[in-house]
Amino acid sequence: GENVEQHPSTLSVQEGDSAVIKCTYSDSASNYFPWYKQELGKGPQLIIDIRSNVGEKKDQRIAVTLNKTAKHFSLHITETQPEDSAVYFCAASIDQGAQKLVFGQGTRLTINP
Amino acid sequence: DTAVSQTPKYLVTQMGNDKSIKCEQNLGHDTMYWYKQDSKKFLKIMFSYNNKELIINETVPNRFSPKSPDKAHLNLHINSLELGDSAVYFCASRLADYNEQFFGPGTRLTVL
Repeated sequence: GENVEQHPSTLSVQEGDSAVIKCTYSDSASNYFPWYKQELGKGPQLIIDIRSNVGEKKDQRIAVTLNKTAKHFSLHITETQPEDSAVYFCAASIDQGAQKLVFGQGTRLTINP
Repeated sequence: DTAVSQTPKYLVTQMGNDKSIKCEQNLGHDTMYWYKQDSKKFLKIMFSYNNKELIINETVPNRFSPKSPDKAHLNLHINSLELGDSAVYFCASRLADYNEQFFGPGTRLTVL
């Protein structure tokens, strides 16, 4: 089955700097890669996603890149703000049917003012 | 408010008891999920239902039994609770043909 590895487990950056979180996946059949943000005491919330037919996607300060050959994808957050502090999860799945998401271990991102 | 809701938010119980967690979504979605998040924040899928039909059933002990009375509800019943069942359980829902899964606020289960 699919296995997703996520690094780093914790990340601390100064406000205004950029943050990068990386994930690798094992199943070459996976073709859908979402990123979820989980704030303290809340459920995860989708912030951006990418399909395997696209190499990069951007939404304001957030971007995701995908390298299908190397089976890795990354989340980039620019101009970080204190409200970006949260746990971020990457996930992978096959984009059809049940959409069984396999999550990475999570990255606790702290933005220092 | 349109959302995925779960009850209860907190559940503290003794080993060996049987308990249920309820989930409801009013988003008109047809697919619902249960996830378990352990103390290290690892998030793992347990079950999924589509239109009341079980479509994902991970290697979960058979003490866990999901029930979907209709498309808007997916409940989780747990028999003979064990210490290792302590976790946060999340319900999620999705509309088929759309990717985004919407998560509920979670139920923190503590087994003493």
